[in-house]
Amino acid sequence: DAGVTQSPTHLIKTRGQQVTLRCSPKSGHDTVSWYQQALGQGPQFIFQYYEEEERQRGNFPDRFSGHQFPNYSSELNVNALLLGDSALYLCASSSLGRQFFGPGTRLTVL
Amino acid sequence: TQLLEQSPQFLSIQEGENLTVYCNSSSVFSSLQWYRQEPGEGPVLLVTVVTGGEVKKLKRLTFQFGDARKDSSLHITAAQPGDTGLYLCAGVKTGGTSYGKLTFGQGTILTVHP
Repeated sequence: DAGVTQSPTHLIKTRGQQVTLRCSPKSGHDTVSWYQQALGQGPQFIFQYYEEEERQRGNFPDRFSGHQFPNYSSELNVNALLLGDSALYLCASSSLGRQFFGPGTRLTVL
Repeated sequence: TQLLEQSPQFLSIQEGENLTVYCNSSSVFSSLQWYRQEPGEGPVLLVTVVTGGEVKKLKRLTFQFGDARKDSSLHITAAQPGDTGLYLCAGVKTGGTSYGKLTFGQGTILTVHP
């Protein structure tokens, strides 16, 4: 049984560009949450998707958007990238309980 | 704004020493979780504490939830180099519009030297 997978592992972008990160949840999980973890900090909640809808959202600007597909996989999109968007982006999946985290995507914005 | 304050932020100790990490908040949480994260990996859940005053033991790790469910501590006895990593506490609020959203502390980087 594969755990939570994320792609790509690493990504380098320049300011102003757009990026899409992908997440495949653990088998049987229907809920996907996204977190941003800056270097040396704890993860910060971005938003959560359930039944293809954004169910709750953290304190992030509209430049951050997402999508969930019928197979429960999810994408995180970030537009107009800023230097401060450089971070590890974590995806976590769950189903009425414990969240399991993927290994993350390391985004570097130059 | 971090609602959960962890201390210390950095801890460097010798193998065999004991240590305690603290997690404090002004908010009440339904439960509190402790995670360990290693470089290049996502956080891995160590324990969930739910009841005020609860104490849970996991081998050499002891977790405590404050009576008011606002604070928690992690105590490691006889630390080993394999304990090295980033330790994170996370508060969970359920009910209303909070569907298990995790609020993390800033983490404690533990280094155990052989």
